[in-house]
Amino acid sequence: AQSVTQLDSQVPVFEEAPVELRCNYSSSVSVYLFWYVQYPNQGLQLLLKYLSGSTLVKGINGFEAEFNKSQTSFHLRKPSVHISDTAEYFCAVSPYSTLTFGKGTMLLVSP
Amino acid sequence: DTEVTQTPKHLVMGMTNKKSLKCEQHMGHRAMYWYKQKAKKPPELMFVYSYEKLSINESVPSRFSPECPNSSLLNLHLHALQPEDSALYLCASSQTGSTDTQYFGPGTRLTVL
Repeated sequence: AQSVTQLDSQVPVFEEAPVELRCNYSSSVSVYLFWYVQYPNQGLQLLLKYLSGSTLVKGINGFEAEFNKSQTSFHLRKPSVHISDTAEYFCAVSPYSTLTFGKGTMLLVSP
Repeated sequence: DTEVTQTPKHLVMGMTNKKSLKCEQHMGHRAMYWYKQKAKKPPELMFVYSYEKLSINESVPSRFSPECPNSSLLNLHLHALQPEDSALYLCASSQTGSTDTQYFGPGTRLTVL
């Protein structure tokens, strides 16, 4: 079985500041890792994914994440956030065909 | 085109009604999914169809009945729902399953009175 922990339920940050959203996972098998974003009243949109290869993954909208196998982490970062980045962010793992989501982190960007 | 469409966007129904949610994709994906998402919670997997066959049913009550008429369409038939079934219902599709990225639709906001 696998699980995902997003330690921060909410992260407030000022516009143009850097941000890191934390994600830790546990699994008895190799996993694939994903970050999805959900804007209010919308579906989920893929930000980035790690399947194999380089541990630093770049995604859309200036986001990136680093896979750290020894720490079983896949933290999401952005060097400078915008108001429009305000949304719910979900980390997910997938050993096979299904996704296991974390509880989500609400990123609140204020001017 | 990486679009998954869902209709209707909003649905209000009584506990004795029968209604259906519809999901469509034209990306040639062979795996399709139904998720239920309550407010402030992550999506919960309900069903997975792979090559038009039901491959996963996450112990969902029988008042939810999925159907995959063809490789592009996925329906969720609803009957005798309870108020606690009110939620955002999300459809997703992926190439075949496995490591493939799941693409999500915008969801149907369901309210059961």
